[in-house]
Amino acid sequence: TQLLEQSPQFLSIQEGENLTVYCNSSSVFSSLQWYRQEPGEGPVLLVTVVTGGEVKKLKRLTFQFGDARKDSSLHITAAQPGDTGLYLCAGDQTGANNLFFGTGTRLTVIP
Amino acid sequence: DTAVSQTPKYLVTQMGNDKSIKCEQNLGHDTMYWYKQDSKKFLKIMFSYNNKELIINETVPNRFSPKSPDKAHLNLHINSLELGDSAVYFCASSRIDTQYFGPGTRLTVL
Repeated sequence: TQLLEQSPQFLSIQEGENLTVYCNSSSVFSSLQWYRQEPGEGPVLLVTVVTGGEVKKLKRLTFQFGDARKDSSLHITAAQPGDTGLYLCAGDQTGANNLFFGTGTRLTVIP
Repeated sequence: DTAVSQTPKYLVTQMGNDKSIKCEQNLGHDTMYWYKQDSKKFLKIMFSYNNKELIINETVPNRFSPKSPDKAHLNLHINSLELGDSAVYFCASSRIDTQYFGPGTRLTVL
């Protein structure tokens, strides 16, 4: 069983649409991170959330950490083709930066 | 300037061979990692090294061995390669809570 389940697994939308990606677990995390990975490259950190209920915004991206620190969501407003990529959530249970990665969401934004 | 670099980018080899992947970081970080990403894009940690000490080994077969000659390098040696070892291997380094990943090495075992 995967520690962190992401949904949807695949998402294909038109430019300008909004979308939400979910990252769910039955485990509690001291912090949760979101990464974006493009083909042929390594994941790049987008954000770290550490407090239950925390909301962080990065331009058109809004990240939320669940109150119980077991889940998180990523909302993209007015998606652009440049948002296309693999989005990965990653949780740290111990605070020692030992990350468990989610199952991934592959987003395609069609111009 | 490249922060985390890996060589080679692609590695194609026969089953049973022994191979190495090199990783270097110029960020001055204390901790380095190796991850394996399978064909379904699932990323799983294999090892981490902090100040030349192994602090994680996630039940990886002992055919895989990390070697850290100094704080800036963490190489991955793989003995007796198997078909199931085919994957993309990522090196990463971190200080505090941010990990920086290398570009990956795509290993194909024939």
